[in-house]
Amino acid sequence: GAGVSQSPSNKVTEKGKDVELRCDPISGHTALYWYRQSLGQGLEFLIYFQGNSAPDKSGLPSDRFSAERTGGSVSTLTIQRTQQEDSAVYLCASSIPQVANVLTFGAGSRLTVL
Amino acid sequence: SQQGEEDPQALSIQEGENATMNCSYKTSINNLQWYRQNSGRGLVHLILIRSNEREKHSGRLRVTLDTSKKSSSLLITASRAADTASYFCATGPYNNNDMRFGAGTRLTVKP
Repeated sequence: GAGVSQSPSNKVTEKGKDVELRCDPISGHTALYWYRQSLGQGLEFLIYFQGNSAPDKSGLPSDRFSAERTGGSVSTLTIQRTQQEDSAVYLCASSIPQVANVLTFGAGSRLTVL
Repeated sequence: SQQGEEDPQALSIQEGENATMNCSYKTSINNLQWYRQNSGRGLVHLILIRSNEREKHSGRLRVTLDTSKKSSSLLITASRAADTASYFCATGPYNNNDMRFGAGTRLTVKP
């Protein structure tokens, strides 16, 4: 597509439920990133996918968080047993690392855990 | 983990004034980028400066990079109310090319 698409744009869930956030990157972008941004804060790196390489999961805050990228394109970030502190905007970005690695961001998914 | 740190955390100026934001980082980089964020949603890329460059211009934006001090500055000249946003620096690539962001500077331009 023309840009990075994220869904849902807003998600309200109850504590303890599982949620899935989806990211559809720009076609041809081999790198895909997930970041988390709490209200008024900076971007917290979560996970990075690049081509067929093993993902860099070093930013995932706990084992309740996982992500996959199928077929080198769409990615899903899953949060199990959500907690109130998981409330944040989850941002996805994609890039072509060989071209200066300029990131194109989606509009984000705002997650609210009640 | 974050690599860049911007300062100030918040900056408020009058329309027409210049705004300067700074970014410091910790490890060697290939390039440094500045992004803008409106209303807590997606970030938009503004400008990139490579590690072998010292200064770069784009319209009303001027970026400098001092690799010896591991710092960069973003200058917005003749600011406008529409420049009100959060500005982030991103450094990298690390590991397999990932980019890391600072906490951002919240700029408010008063009309």
